[in-house]
Amino acid sequence: QKEVEQNSGPLSVPEGAIASLNCTYSDRGSQSFFWYRQYSGKSPELIMFIYSNGDKEDGRFTAQLNKASQYVSLLIRDSQPSDSATYLCAVNDNDMRFGAGTRLTVKP
Amino acid sequence: NAGVTQTPKFQVLKTGQSMTLQCAQDMNHNSMYWYRQDPGMGLRLIYYSASEGTTDKGEVPNGYNVSRLNKREFSLRLESAAPSQTSVYFCASSGRDSLSDTQYFGPGTRLTVL
Repeated sequence: QKEVEQNSGPLSVPEGAIASLNCTYSDRGSQSFFWYRQYSGKSPELIMFIYSNGDKEDGRFTAQLNKASQYVSLLIRDSQPSDSATYLCAVNDNDMRFGAGTRLTVKP
Repeated sequence: NAGVTQTPKFQVLKTGQSMTLQCAQDMNHNSMYWYRQDPGMGLRLIYYSASEGTTDKGEVPNGYNVSRLNKREFSLRLESAAPSQTSVYFCASSGRDSLSDTQYFGPGTRLTVL
């Protein structure tokens, strides 16, 4: 069974801090990795995707991928209260598999 | 450009009743998906359609059927609803282009089976 694991949280950080969200996956053949944000009662929306080992930056967001360790993370710099949401990690190797999500709260 | 739309937004059924959830996308995507989302379990794939005329089972297909009516529309049918099917259902689509297979989600249908 292919697994995608996330710490369910809640993760609480103060406004302006860096939030670090982590995800591990079991299938070494996975090729593409996604981070989605989901506000309460809403649908998931894509933040960013990453294919290659290393870091990928987009504004305040940085995705980090380490295929050898089967680990992908999302860093949110200068966290804002509007970043409070559940963050879903998704891994694709023909089928898209989602983690259960980490709930992030950014306190003013 | 509405993206992915779903109807209805909310539905309450009694055990044994049937219903069809509708999904449509206007992004000319080839692939469409149906997921269910339960607390603590994330999104689980029910069925997907890689192209018009094809459908395949996902992780949790039992109790569901699907129809890819045309390129735009992908419906999910519950023939005899059970309380275990109480969930939030999301439809998604993707273009499966060379850059990514990002999935775009509809607003969801919240289903309660009594």
